[in-house]
Amino acid sequence: DVKVTQSSRYLVKRTGEKVFLECVQDMDHENMFWYRQDPGLGLRLIYFSYDVKMKEKGDIPEGYSVSREKKERFSLILESASTNQTSMYLCASSLRFMGGYEQYFGPGTRLTVT
Amino acid sequence: QKEVEQNSGPLSVPEGAIASLNCTYSDRGSQSFFWYRQYSGKSPELIMSIYSNGDKEDGRFTAQLNKASQYVSLLIRDSQPSDSATYLCAVRPMDSSYKLIFGSGTRLLVRP
Repeated sequence: DVKVTQSSRYLVKRTGEKVFLECVQDMDHENMFWYRQDPGLGLRLIYFSYDVKMKEKGDIPEGYSVSREKKERFSLILESASTNQTSMYLCASSLRFMGGYEQYFGPGTRLTVT
Repeated sequence: QKEVEQNSGPLSVPEGAIASLNCTYSDRGSQSFFWYRQYSGKSPELIMSIYSNGDKEDGRFTAQLNKASQYVSLLIRDSQPSDSATYLCAVRPMDSSYKLIFGSGTRLLVRP
């Protein structure tokens, strides 16, 4: 079974803090993704990575950065958290080659910025 | 702008009935199609994938794909209250090897 884990289920941070969200997958997937999900707005892609040290911007990258130093680990960084970054953050992974492109999601991190 | 459209619902069906969830997409060249189930407060869980025209059955779930009409549907037979969730449709567009485009989901409510 594919397993994607995220470092925290719930997180409360203050405005201006630097926030790290970490995601780990154990299926040797090449692709990893960070989304945020807000009521009425659906899933929005923030960044994705198709290989170690490789990254591409998604639809809403502003205010975020990412790091992928190891294949199994993909980190999302909020450089200076703001209240409009309060959201559910979801990590996902998928195969790059010989795959059906299914994405498997972690449990999510509900981030509140006060 | 590639789009995936779903009726937000809620779609309310009685227990034991067939629930029919629909999704349309704008990119005619789309290749892969997925249905995810998301319980309130939880993350999306993949339940079905379909790649070619026709039906694909898995237990109580049947995915149907019609590329000419650009729609994909999910049928849930013998609906149970535990099927109450939001169902997300996702599509891989032709020009992407990685990304999926997600619909905003249809909320299904199965009444006991």
